[in-house]
Amino acid sequence: GAVVSQHPSRVICKSGTSVKIECRSLDFQATTMFWYRQFPKKSLMLMATSNEGSKATYEQGVEKDKFLINHASLTLSTLTVTSAHPEDSSFYICSAIGTSSPDTQYFGPGTRLTVL
Amino acid sequence: AQSVTQLGSHVSVSEGALVLLRCNYSSSVPPYLFWYVQYPNQGLQLLLKYTTGATLVKGINGFEAEFKKSETSFHLTKPSAHMSDAAEYFCAVTLSGNTPLVFGKGTRLSVIA
Repeated sequence: GAVVSQHPSRVICKSGTSVKIECRSLDFQATTMFWYRQFPKKSLMLMATSNEGSKATYEQGVEKDKFLINHASLTLSTLTVTSAHPEDSSFYICSAIGTSSPDTQYFGPGTRLTVL
Repeated sequence: AQSVTQLGSHVSVSEGALVLLRCNYSSSVPPYLFWYVQYPNQGLQLLLKYTTGATLVKGINGFEAEFKKSETSFHLTKPSAHMSDAAEYFCAVTLSGNTPLVFGKGTRLSVIA
């Protein structure tokens, strides 16, 4: 139980294009989802907190207009990197909290974004 | 504000030896504490967690950790290392279940045959 998937696992795009990353809770309803970014050999940096049906809460320094987060249902949150640039290349990981285990975040497998 | 310090960015042990990964935290209220493991190019897998109750918690793959409030520590141990334990380990703290995790910088565990 408590499986979180991400799609795609890996994406390469050209500078200036937009990329959408999906995070799904497969076997539970996720009231809250979090989006993290991880640089090579570094720890995870929280980007935003997403609650179903409401606007995401972004961490200081994270551009809301660049990293669009939508949490339209209890099983799906999306992160869209708009007008991507090479400095946006990173490993993006989502996590989800379900009602059955509200004290634990379950993580997706991550998405490797490379912007050329 | 909370914070996590993981002592040692890289720990190397021999196969069969004791694994000890250190984690100290700072929190103004009783914390929830977690250990996660990350294999290359993968997400994080929960090893174990402490929320309330028994201070010695057992997790998957033979790992355990003890919450010591007086030492503000939550060190991760395993009696006998396996080659498959080689990975990156993250200690994390949060105030409650639905608040963001604050991660330590991670400790890379290498296991030598």
